[in-house]
Amino acid sequence: AQSVTQLDSQVPVFEEAPVELRCNYSSSVSVYLFWYVQYPNQGLQLLLKYLSGSTLVESINGFEAEFNKSQTSFHLRKPSVHISDTAEYFCAVTQSTGGGNKLTFGTGTQLKVEL
Amino acid sequence: EPEVTQTPSHQVTQMGQEVILRCVPISNHLYFYWYRQILGQKVEFLVSFYNNEISEKSEIFDDQFSVERPDGSNFTLKIRSTKLEDSAMYFCASSEALGSYGYTFGSGTRLTVV
Repeated sequence: AQSVTQLDSQVPVFEEAPVELRCNYSSSVSVYLFWYVQYPNQGLQLLLKYLSGSTLVESINGFEAEFNKSQTSFHLRKPSVHISDTAEYFCAVTQSTGGGNKLTFGTGTQLKVEL
Repeated sequence: EPEVTQTPSHQVTQMGQEVILRCVPISNHLYFYWYRQILGQKVEFLVSFYNNEISEKSEIFDDQFSVERPDGSNFTLKIRSTKLEDSAMYFCASSEALGSYGYTFGSGTRLTVV
């Protein structure tokens, strides 16, 4: 079984400030990790993913996440946020081997960027 | 960019009625999924479907639920007799391979049971 913990339900931040959204996971097997973003009244969009290789992964809009196996974390960061980054962010995990290809999601973090 | 299409975007139904949610996955994808998100809660896995059969289902996916791929393009979720607690956003997703390429989600169907 696997689980994902997003400790922060809401993160308010001023525009152009840095932000970190925390994600920790638990799994007895190796995993793939994902961050999804959900804008108001829209579906889930894949932001970035870690499959293997470099532990630092980046998205096209300036977000990055680092896989830390020893700390079982996959925190999402952005050095300077924009008002348009206001959304809900979900961390998710799936097993990388064997059966069970479902995604397990965290409870989400609402990022609110203020002027 | 290819996308997963879900219809309708919003459906209101009376308790006890049957409802069918429709999805058109990305054409070359092989794995199909349904997830749901009750308002204010996290996204939960319902079922995965591969090679014309259910590959995994959650405890939420009881006998009231069924999935079908009636033709080469559509993937449907049927709720036989809706309950108030079935009110949620239902997301369809598809993936090309088992887990590794990330899932493409549709924009969801908001189901309201009254």
